[in-house]
Amino acid sequence: AQSVTQPDIHITVSEGASLELRCNYSYGATPYLFWYVQSPGQGLQLLLKYFSGDTLVQGIKGFEAEFKRSQSSFNLRKPSVHWSDAAEYFCAVRNTGFQKLVFGTGTRLLVSP
Amino acid sequence: NAGVTQTPKFQVLKTGQSMTLQCAQDMNHEYMSWYRQDPGMGLRLIHYSVGAGITDQGEVPNGYNVSRSTTEDFPLRLLSAAPSQTSVYFCASSYRDRGVVDTEAFFGQGTRLTVV
Repeated sequence: AQSVTQPDIHITVSEGASLELRCNYSYGATPYLFWYVQSPGQGLQLLLKYFSGDTLVQGIKGFEAEFKRSQSSFNLRKPSVHWSDAAEYFCAVRNTGFQKLVFGTGTRLLVSP
Repeated sequence: NAGVTQTPKFQVLKTGQSMTLQCAQDMNHEYMSWYRQDPGMGLRLIHYSVGAGITDQGEVPNGYNVSRSTTEDFPLRLLSAAPSQTSVYFCASSYRDRGVVDTEAFFGQGTRLTVV
């Protein structure tokens, strides 16, 4: 069965520093991959997605993610973090176009001044 | 504004009571789904629907029922509430990207349910 691992429960980054959130998936074929952000008390917002093609995908709010098949990873990056980026981030995988979405357990990002 | 509307935002139930969580979308999306979010567990799929009249079970369907009589509405029913159903519930609406990939692009703001 497909699964998603986000190994970091919490990450603290200084404002202006770069960010990388890790995501590893377990699935044999090329999966469909997603990153979401959830601000406190809010629903999830789609940041970006990877289906095929270029392995570096750009998303909203200055985020990008890189699909690395050899490492079964889809890490989320941002070159310079803003205080408003503090939130919880979820990676998710879908094994075929119409199958259910499986979420990781999330990484909470804290931004220090 | 277009999007997914969930009601209520908060609810407290007594064990054994039943209730319906409402979800509506106005984007004409075929695919809708219900998730529950519990600390340290991410989001888990309860039920989903690929169109009016078609529903299926997700990962944690026990204790919940759904129906989809219209494209717009996808209510979630708790048949006999239990403390284990204390959670935050999210409804999502998806479009079919490039004709092949369902993308949960729109989530409601959630319903925080407490069962005592």
